Amino acid sequence: EPEVTQTPSHQVTQMGQEVILRCVPISNHLYFYWYRQILGQKVEFLVSFYNNEISEKSEIFDDQFSVERPDGSNFTLKIRSTKLEDSAMYFCASSPRQFRTYEQYFGPGTRLTVT
Amino acid sequence: DAKTTQPPSMDCAEGRAANLPCNHSTISGNEYVYWYRQIHSQGPQYIIHGLKNNETNEMASLIITEDRKSSTLILPHATLRDTAVYYCIVREIQGAQKLVFGQGTRLTINP
Repeated sequence: EPEVTQTPSHQVTQMGQEVILRCVPISNHLYFYWYRQILGQKVEFLVSFYNNEISEKSEIFDDQFSVERPDGSNFTLKIRSTKLEDSAMYFCASSPRQFRTYEQYFGPGTRLTVT
Repeated sequence: DAKTTQPPSMDCAEGRAANLPCNHSTISGNEYVYWYRQIHSQGPQYIIHGLKNNETNEMASLIITEDRKSSTLILPHATLRDTAVYYCIVREIQGAQKLVFGQGTRLTINP
């Protein structure tokens, strides 16, 4: 069964450094998302992406964040200058374009630790 | 903010049916009810969704009241692997609509 994959599983970085989190969505899916979950808190929406552009972004997704689909398979989240409060699990998700469905399939997540 | 209300925790014995309630009294006509679960710190997993009719798949059944203001997710024969946080989410079914997660219900299946 196809699944969303994410790399790395765990990333440790120093405050102020740039990080790129990578995702490979399910191959025939057209909608892509990033969510994050700070330890012990709710899953929070960051951004959605369709047709090579951002469809919606949350207040969390400020100028320090960017997304890209550099080729036909990868979907990346870049944080330009990490802060301690960016420490969280980051989940990528994708969904197909099927009438009356649009369920989102999530990857296993990348645990980002900013020190 | 999440548009749903769920109990924070529930327990169920292994092998019994787990019935998880959700209130969504402000649901609008074009919003569907989705259920996801999150096992430990894994990515959320889609379970089922519905509009107004009851739905069943290999994982669960979804019962939606006639007025659509509440629903119940039923896991017919719960196993230890069903221990997870279950999220009830209402969402429009157009395109790239985000999922808004609440706190969910922490379901513990006891042996």
